[in-house]
Amino acid sequence: DTGVSQDPRHKITKRGQNVTFRCDPISEHNRLYWYRQTLGQGPEFLTYFQNEAQLEKSRLLSDRFSAERPKGSFSTLEIQRTEQGDSAMYLCASSFQENTEAFFGQGTRLTVV
Amino acid sequence: QQQVKQSPQSLIVQKGGIPIINCAYENTAFDYFPWYQQFPGKGPALLIAIRPDVSEKKEGRFTISFNKSAKQFSLHIMDSQPGDSATYFCAAATQGGSEKLVFGKGTKLTVNP
Repeated sequence: DTGVSQDPRHKITKRGQNVTFRCDPISEHNRLYWYRQTLGQGPEFLTYFQNEAQLEKSRLLSDRFSAERPKGSFSTLEIQRTEQGDSAMYLCASSFQENTEAFFGQGTRLTVV
Repeated sequence: QQQVKQSPQSLIVQKGGIPIINCAYENTAFDYFPWYQQFPGKGPALLIAIRPDVSEKKEGRFTISFNKSAKQFSLHIMDSQPGDSATYFCAAATQGGSEKLVFGKGTKLTVNP
């Protein structure tokens, strides 16, 4: 499968715990995006990378959230001290460069109990 | 402030019908308008996209109509099939690319056999 890969697919965690998600973009895609989707809503932009550089962060990305793309390939999204409001689908997407289509992964469903 | 307004919220048609989903945007800097299809538990999949230099684009059974002066665009699905039952999202972005997509709230389409 050469699409965007996300791991894990599902994560249940207790409030206050830290979680980390991984995204592997399509090979040779140098742009990588993170979105969050809550039930019944469209995805909302969180942040994006051009290679290893994080170019923009949404106001939705509080201090408890951090994203990295250390070698310009895979990316991680960490949420510290999770809250129930963090429960959502976290989607990763990638594109070859600017002005090209973004392809989404299957997402990681986070449930904070 | 919702930058992309999508309607209707849900839509039911019979097999062979032509569902139409509408979106309106506010930001005149938007210059890339994709449509995504999402099945339950899956990530959004790009269906078709249009840029404002054309008024219509057709790919298979899917057609986008674009009205730049009205700041509106719509998706038509010809000869709809039960397998088209999914949630459809319109989106918009600036700079002709796919970074920082702004999504509508989605339309849940049901195609009855």
